[in-house]
Amino acid sequence: EVQLVESGGGLVKPGGSLRLSCEGSGFIFTNAWISWVRQAPGKGLEWVARVRNKRDGGTTDYAAPVKDRFTISRDDSRDTAYLQMNSLKIEDTAVYYCTTLGRKPWGQGALVTVSS
Amino acid sequence: DIQMTQSPPSLSTSLGDRVTITCRASQSISTYLDWYQQKPGKAPKLLIYAASDLQSGVPSRFSGSGSGTDFTLTISSLQPEDFATYYCLQTYSTPLTFGGGTKVEIK
Repeated sequence: EVQLVESGGGLVKPGGSLRLSCEGSGFIFTNAWISWVRQAPGKGLEWVARVRNKRDGGTTDYAAPVKDRFTISRDDSRDTAYLQMNSLKIEDTAVYYCTTLGRKPWGQGALVTVSS
Repeated sequence: DIQMTQSPPSLSTSLGDRVTITCRASQSISTYLDWYQQKPGKAPKLLIYAASDLQSGVPSRFSGSGSGTDFTLTISSLQPEDFATYYCLQTYSTPLTFGGGTKVEIK
């Protein structure tokens, strides 16, 4: 069964840091481009970041609101992608989904709450 | 950045109705356009990719069309399980951008 499973969500104070993980199974993870997409409470979907596979350079792209604060990475030996989130703001509060943005199902999401 | 304008933001409709949702891109995106369905508390589910290709397992009452800047998602005969929010997504260039969503509700 193809799966993406996120972990690492939680409550953090403004200015704090958190790292999300996304473990893939049931498919060849090393071939996949991985994106993070978030959804603030009651709002629409917002693309956050993407990492290409190593064959395509392993390069990364970011949305403007998170650039220079968030870092996406991958460890293909663990079939896992990461989202390191620093200098968190209240407006980063959201459910964060891991996805290939292709024909594989999304993860179930990880809730990140930034609050004092 | 490419802006995706989706309409309508919401619609009230009845079982069996034909539903049409549109997305307009601020510049040409060829056919780099996907459609997603999301139900409350669940992850989005891919319905249509590359503007008009039906994802495996998705009922044939869903269809997509368009290229360039104008795209349409059509549900030919609305079923109870289709009440949800629908989003378009352009994957032509980064930052990838979603439409604002269309909530399909029961009349």
